[in-house]
Amino acid sequence: DAMVIQNPRYQVTQFGKPVTLSCSQTLNHNVMYWYQQKSSQAPKLLFHYYDKDFNNEADTPDNFQSRRPNTSFCFLDIRSPGLGDAAMYLCATSRTPGQGETQYFGPGTRLLVL
Amino acid sequence: ELKVEQNPLFLSMQEGKNYTIYCNYSTTSDRLYWYRQDPGKSLESLFVLLSNGAVKQEGRLMASLDTKARLSTLHITAAVHDLSATYFCAVLPQGGSEKLVFGKGTKLTVNP
Repeated sequence: DAMVIQNPRYQVTQFGKPVTLSCSQTLNHNVMYWYQQKSSQAPKLLFHYYDKDFNNEADTPDNFQSRRPNTSFCFLDIRSPGLGDAAMYLCATSRTPGQGETQYFGPGTRLLVL
Repeated sequence: ELKVEQNPLFLSMQEGKNYTIYCNYSTTSDRLYWYRQDPGKSLESLFVLLSNGAVKQEGRLMASLDTKARLSTLHITAAVHDLSATYFCAVLPQGGSEKLVFGKGTKLTVNP
């Protein structure tokens, strides 16, 4: 089945220790998104890629970076995680930008910072 | 800046009852989405509403969109326990933006 896969599902890291979260998709969608969702809050868009074009949200901290080496994979790098970065990180994809198509979400990676 | 407000934020209802969740948004858009999220899980797409007057139904859930009033509703008919979850509406601004703006979510609990 075509889907959005995130690894790992749970990640524990230490304060200040870099961490990378992974997302892959078999939908062959052009757009990939990263959202941060803190407990009992709505998801917040961090950035997205349209093909190789990177689009950062203005209020995304510099601590968060992303890479998309090919259509299928996208990575979220947190360079120096703080306690406030503990959250669920959701990857999503959509087929075409600007057309209002549905975004399909992966299962999420829950990050814990000790 | 687009703002999305959902009401109520918490909803406790009995099985068999009907209720409506409301989603208001502040600027022009004709792309509205409803998602369901179970505790600790990801978001599941329920409905995409693309035009004024759009109505979609799936099982006990029905969503509608009034772009003139900037209002969408999610109506629950004869609720069952399995519908307990958090429901988010999300709006895509006009102009080609890819940034979905989410409401705060409505946490629905259906009691036997």
